[in-house]
Amino acid sequence: EAQVTQNPRYLITVTGKKLTVTCSQNMNHEYMSWYRQDPGLGLRQIYYSMNVEVTDKGDVPEGYKVSRKEKRNFPLILESPSPNQTSLYFCASSLLAGGGAGELFFGEGSRLTVL
Amino acid sequence: GEDVEQSLFLSVREGDSSVINCTYTDSSSTYLYWYKQEPGAGLQLLTYIFSNMDMKQDQRLTVLLNKKDKHLSLRIADTQTGDSAIYFCAGAGGATNKLIFGTGTLLAVQP
Repeated sequence: EAQVTQNPRYLITVTGKKLTVTCSQNMNHEYMSWYRQDPGLGLRQIYYSMNVEVTDKGDVPEGYKVSRKEKRNFPLILESPSPNQTSLYFCASSLLAGGGAGELFFGEGSRLTVL
Repeated sequence: GEDVEQSLFLSVREGDSSVINCTYTDSSSTYLYWYKQEPGAGLQLLTYIFSNMDMKQDQRLTVLLNKKDKHLSLRIADTQTGDSAIYFCAGAGGATNKLIFGTGTLLAVQP
């Protein structure tokens, strides 16, 4: 089954404790992206990757890191989480970059709470 | 950059039509999309329209595009309780064809 898998789905952590949210897709997609969803703000892009070893900042990259060592995986790293990073995070992938009548496939989301 | 706006909430009765509206600022968007987010799930593509089209119909869904006013709408005919969800419009364009999402409209369908 074609899917984007994120882990963990739910996480409560404390300020400053490094964490990684993993994302894996099994569709051989070139493009992968991370978004955060906050009430009243919609989805905002954190980082994206056009292909292996190619990553770029989105609209809200501060406090986050990513890597794309393999095509299928695109982990999101919070080196020193802060309460303002409490949010619902989505990983997404598509065959080509971002749009162009290509469908963006989303994971089920990871709800992160930073105390 | 692109800015995409939607009203936050819409409530309709089962069987009625729903119309969800969206305005955008960047007329260079080649495609415009509607995504649906059900509770506890990620977004799923519902439909899309190419920028040179005025209308697209897909079963109960009708997408209308007014390029002059930069206005996009999604009409759902015979709305069902299963249509209750958050609906996001999105535009794609620019050098990286990046998707810019609206704030989302929560559609509540009353039985």
